[in-house]
Amino acid sequence: QKEVEQDPGPLSVPEGAIVSLNCTYSNSAFQYFMWYRQYSRKGPELLMYTYSSGNKEDGRFTAQVDKSSKYISLFIRDSQPSDSATYLCAIANSGYALNFGKGTSLLVTP
Amino acid sequence: SQTIHQWPATLVQPVGSPLSLECTVEGTSNPNLYWYRQAAGRGLQLLFYSVGIGQISSEVPQNLSASRPQDRQFILSSKKLLLSDSGFYLCAWRSGTHEQYFGPGTRLTVT
Repeated sequence: QKEVEQDPGPLSVPEGAIVSLNCTYSNSAFQYFMWYRQYSRKGPELLMYTYSSGNKEDGRFTAQVDKSSKYISLFIRDSQPSDSATYLCAIANSGYALNFGKGTSLLVTP
Repeated sequence: SQTIHQWPATLVQPVGSPLSLECTVEGTSNPNLYWYRQAAGRGLQLLFYSVGIGQISSEVPQNLSASRPQDRQFILSSKKLLLSDSGFYLCAWRSGTHEQYFGPGTRLTVT
């Protein structure tokens, strides 16, 4: 079983829709949770970082962590064509490495 | 603010040729530095990380090597490239907390 599982998509939604992106993980020692956005041929950009269960909101983005279910989500409200990208979840314990999902490709159509 | 640079942006090299990719970070001291490779459909693969000058940890045995000659400089090298070394190489840094910040990447094609 891989440590972090993420549906690769692609996920296609119309502009203005609410997008839900998800990852599951297997190691209950993981404590730190991140979401990155990666545009084609660019480096990943950190969107959200959280270390507790519950919700964290930043503008149109909400990160949700459920440690009991080992499940994390990223919600995008009022999605825009500029949100079209690959979204990567990353999870860590107290060590040096991040465990990345393979990424979900999102397309927001006008 | 912190900035991370990588060069070159793109590189086409023949099989068997040497490789040197460079990464530098500005605006922070004593960062942890990382090299990743991203191949199509395979996600991000951690290759090396460094917690200080001259300290390198290898995650994947292969024909690549890394060095950290200065606090904010990280170099990825190979003596002889293989076709399988093609990919998108990303450098990242991390300070006191756990999030990592990535550079713009180098796209390497080995022909």
